Amino acid sequence: DAGVIQSPRHEVTEMGQEVTLRCKPISGHNSLFWYRQTMMRGLELLIYFNNNVPIDDSGMPEDRFSAKMPNASFSTLKIQPSEPRDSAVYFCASSFLSGTEAFFGQGTRLTVV
Amino acid sequence: GENVEQHPSTLSVQEGDSAVIKCTYSDSASNYFPWYKQELGKRPQLIIDIRSNVGEKKDQRIAVTLNKTAKHFSLHITETQPEDSAVYFCAASIVSGGSNYKLTFGKGTLLTVNP
Repeated sequence: DAGVIQSPRHEVTEMGQEVTLRCKPISGHNSLFWYRQTMMRGLELLIYFNNNVPIDDSGMPEDRFSAKMPNASFSTLKIQPSEPRDSAVYFCASSFLSGTEAFFGQGTRLTVV
Repeated sequence: GENVEQHPSTLSVQEGDSAVIKCTYSDSASNYFPWYKQELGKRPQLIIDIRSNVGEKKDQRIAVTLNKTAKHFSLHITETQPEDSAVYFCAASIVSGGSNYKLTFGKGTLLTVNP
């Protein structure tokens, strides 16, 4: 298995533009997590899904952020409109539902100018 | 919700010395405590974990201890090497077969091992 796959690896966009980050979890994993990492705030959990259903989105900063998981092999995190303070590394991770190791993707470095 | 505090935020040691990183958690129901290592520009990766039914776990130069009464757990690295230099994150969650699971991370410790 290639592990958790995220795309794109790097994204530079202008303020106000829509940004879509993509994640393919490890096959067979049924929990998926979106994290945001910054120097100031560390690793913040934005939202997580169990069996494609959003369980807890209390970490989503505001209505500009939305996440979907239309099937077991794909998830998106969308920011619309983007702002400079959204600049961060966004990680997707997946695991089995039983709560064992969370495997992280390589992350998407987002820069909003 | 769960809150995980991690200390220190930075730690510098000489090669061969030991390093200790400490974390506290707030939710007494938490029962799973993993530690992740993140090298510069890379993804976090699990290095060791402990469940609440044990007090200590070792894996070569790495050990983790857990005090459920005090709600704190620690990572111990002995005989540190330059390649141990990285950011280390502790985390806590509630794991129960078939139930929801949420991993909350501490803010990380930047460990620098000086040759």
